[in-house]
Amino acid sequence: EADIYQTPRYLVIGTGKKITLECSQTMGHDKMYWYQQDPGMELHLIHYSYGVNSTEKGDLSSESTVSRIRTEHFPLTLESARPSHTSQYLCASSGYTDTQYFGPGTRLTVL
Amino acid sequence: GESVGLHLPTLSVQEGDNSIINCAYSNSASDYFIWYKQESGKGPQFIIDIRSNMDKRQGQRVTVLLNKTVKHLSLQIAATQPGDSAVYFCAEREAGTALIFGKGTTLSVSS
Repeated sequence: EADIYQTPRYLVIGTGKKITLECSQTMGHDKMYWYQQDPGMELHLIHYSYGVNSTEKGDLSSESTVSRIRTEHFPLTLESARPSHTSQYLCASSGYTDTQYFGPGTRLTVL
Repeated sequence: GESVGLHLPTLSVQEGDNSIINCAYSNSASDYFIWYKQESGKGPQFIIDIRSNMDKRQGQRVTVLLNKTVKHLSLQIAATQPGDSAVYFCAEREAGTALIFGKGTTLSVSS
């Protein structure tokens, strides 16, 4: 069982609000990832980090930003949420193997 | 058992049948492949993975087959159970790059 946590699980907010989605893992994994997934669709990588103070953009353009100040924590921030940001956001981590372990996801709805 | 030739978005089987879910990948340089199961409202859960130096790997009730000649990956589930109902995703990765997820297949198991 993977020890990776995401909060909140569900979030409904108004347009223009700033939000931060939290992701933490207790496995000591160096690599962490954020994916965006629309219902029933494939996952798209939006950000990743291979270690503290390392962050990169993924394949899918995103208006979000991330930070990696501590190994276990990889928060994702939207400065000004819009309805087009409505989606599920999944956090994952991996260690010395290539296997990525996922959190339960945050379902974001922007009104 | 039920099988699909190419990727289909849905697969319906009877309880006890064997299921085969197929995935075609595009990058001949990919060296790592992985299958995930995603239940409604949850994050993807690791099922099984395989590296390109192998063509078959078995787990508990699951087998992954890799055919590098035709760039084809399949997941076989033996004695499918209602609890196997979920969306299944394959993913591929070239060394040093990020996982690329395929479109999911929804497996429905009826009693």
